[in-house]
Amino acid sequence: DAGVIQSPRHEVTEMGQEVTLRCKPISGHNSLFWYRQTMMRGLELLIYFNNNVPIDDSGMPEDRFSAKMPNASFSTLKIQPSEPRDSAVYFCASSWTGAEEKLFFGSGTQLSVL
Amino acid sequence: DQQVKQNSPSLSVQEGRISILNCDYTNSMFDYFLWYKKYPAEGPTFLISISSIKDKNEDGRFTVFLNKSAKHLSLHIVPSQPGDSAVYFCAASISNTPLVFGKGTRLSVIA
Repeated sequence: DAGVIQSPRHEVTEMGQEVTLRCKPISGHNSLFWYRQTMMRGLELLIYFNNNVPIDDSGMPEDRFSAKMPNASFSTLKIQPSEPRDSAVYFCASSWTGAEEKLFFGSGTQLSVL
Repeated sequence: DQQVKQNSPSLSVQEGRISILNCDYTNSMFDYFLWYKKYPAEGPTFLISISSIKDKNEDGRFTVFLNKSAKHLSLHIVPSQPGDSAVYFCAASISNTPLVFGKGTRLSVIA
């Protein structure tokens, strides 16, 4: 099993540019989560999907953030336009429905917005 | 407002000694608690968990204690090893809803 796969591992961009982060969950998992890690706030939930449907996006900080899950094996998190305060590590995680506490995380995307 | 709080950003322990990592929570509805471990450049991985109906769960060198009246849990690592050096996240959930994480505690085990 390849685990949760995220790309890119690192992203450096300039303020105002569009950023797209990608995630492939573990095959068979039907819940997918996007978390953001910062020093100030730790690991915070941005949005989660169940069976490809967004269930709770209350953690998405602003309208500049959007997430999609077009099928069971792929999700994107998009920031448009990006700002320096968006700099953080973004993690994708997946789990089975009913076992949301047992998350399997990807290696994360380190985003730097200059 | 942080529902799960880890008030110690870092902790240093000598190899072979006990490491105690602490976590406090504010929401009495939480019914499941977990610890995740994170190495640099990797995602967090599940370490150990405890249900709210228990007060202790042990797995090898790792033991988690839960004090519901104090809304406090702790992770004990005995004996500590250099490979335990990592960031430890405390997390909590309510009936299989998404996990709420603390800010993490960086543990350094010194040889």
